[in-house]
Amino acid sequence: DAKTTQPNSMESNEEEPVHLPCNHSTISGTDYIHWYRQLPSQGPEYVIHGLTSNVNNRMASLAIAEDRKSSTLILHRATLRDAAVYYCILHYNNAGNMLTFGGGTRLMVKP
Amino acid sequence: DAGVTQSPTHLIKTRGQHVTLRCSPISGHKSVSWYQQVLGQGPQFIFQYYEKEERGRGNFPDRFSARQFPNYSSELNVNALLLGDSALYLCASSLLRTTYEQYFGPGTRLTVT
Repeated sequence: DAKTTQPNSMESNEEEPVHLPCNHSTISGTDYIHWYRQLPSQGPEYVIHGLTSNVNNRMASLAIAEDRKSSTLILHRATLRDAAVYYCILHYNNAGNMLTFGGGTRLMVKP
Repeated sequence: DAGVTQSPTHLIKTRGQHVTLRCSPISGHKSVSWYQQVLGQGPQFIFQYYEKEERGRGNFPDRFSARQFPNYSSELNVNALLLGDSALYLCASSLLRTTYEQYFGPGTRLTVT
């Protein structure tokens, strides 16, 4: 399976944008890039996904490099509620729903 | 609408015992997946069931088994518990066998002593 590399932790100030990086240099052409987050004492929560083009939804934006070897999750205005572990996951569409989680990035948001 | 529910919330078992964990998916969802999350690590995939058939299995020993019922709820069974089985067990449901969005429950915290 293609692997992802994320920083262990990041800090942000409340109401400022946050850019969470993810490297996936061995990504294959059929791998989708998924982001999930896990708030304290909760199960993971879907954030966003993409294949080649940048994506926006109500929670975040996903910027995908042209060569697809890296991506960035963008939270436009961090709130205290965004403090969580963010997981970048590569998912082959024919692999059922199996998600391979790595260690993720722990995002801390300071008031 | 109710989200994914799991029971029990917490459980304490002794080494060698067996345990059954239960999951009720979101209404209409036909796929249930199970994950194990050891403290400080990301979740690890155990099983996926879709339309009552096993559709995927992770790298876990045969002590782990699961099934899905006609109402799409699911049970995860673990036999001969080891201390290393202590973890948060998460259930995720989705409408389809392969989808970009899965909905996770709050998990069952299993402690093996």
